[in-house]
Amino acid sequence: EADIYQTPRYLVIGTGKKITLECSQTMGHDKMYWYQQDPGMELHLIHYSYGVNSTEKGDLSSESTVSRIRTEHFPLTLESARPSHTSQYLCASSELRNTEAFFGQGTRLTVV
Amino acid sequence: AQKVTQAQTEISVVEKEDVTLDCVYETRDTTYYLFWYKQPPSGELVFLIRRNSFDEQNEISGRYSWNFQKSTSSFNFTITASQVVDSAVYFCALSEGYGGATNKLIFGTGTLLAVQP
Repeated sequence: EADIYQTPRYLVIGTGKKITLECSQTMGHDKMYWYQQDPGMELHLIHYSYGVNSTEKGDLSSESTVSRIRTEHFPLTLESARPSHTSQYLCASSELRNTEAFFGQGTRLTVV
Repeated sequence: AQKVTQAQTEISVVEKEDVTLDCVYETRDTTYYLFWYKQPPSGELVFLIRRNSFDEQNEISGRYSWNFQKSTSSFNFTITASQVVDSAVYFCALSEGYGGATNKLIFGTGTLLAVQP
């Protein structure tokens, strides 16, 4: 069973607010990912990390930023939320080899 | 560049019917991995299977089976005798390369399966 946790599960926030979505895993995985999921289902990779102090932008441009100070923690921050950021955000982790990724339950963000 | 195509956006079947979800991929690598995930209404993605490019053997796990054909770049997923609990969005995914930190998991657009009682 996967041990990867995201908080909060749901968040409604006003335009212009700064928010941080939390993601933690207890499996010791080096790789971690953030995906943004459209209402129409498609998953877009927005950030990933190979390990501590490594972060890379994904295939979809995002105004969010990430950090990886500890192996188990990969938070995502939006400095100034906008309605266009309304989406579901999914965090995942995997080993460095091509093994499967384990996903958290997601954070459904609504910016009003 | 790598790409995964799931042409079926939505499928609706009646319980006990068999259903096949299609997945076609594109890659220039000779070494790659394919995955299927299930996303139930609760939102998390659940891993179902991983297959590497050197292993074309089909796999069966209970009511689930997977047909990997390199000649047509397809990795199709069949559910036999579908049940209402199978209702979910199913994603096919691709990761290129052999090991290594730089491999990214790229998803198809997903297929919404609705199983009616």
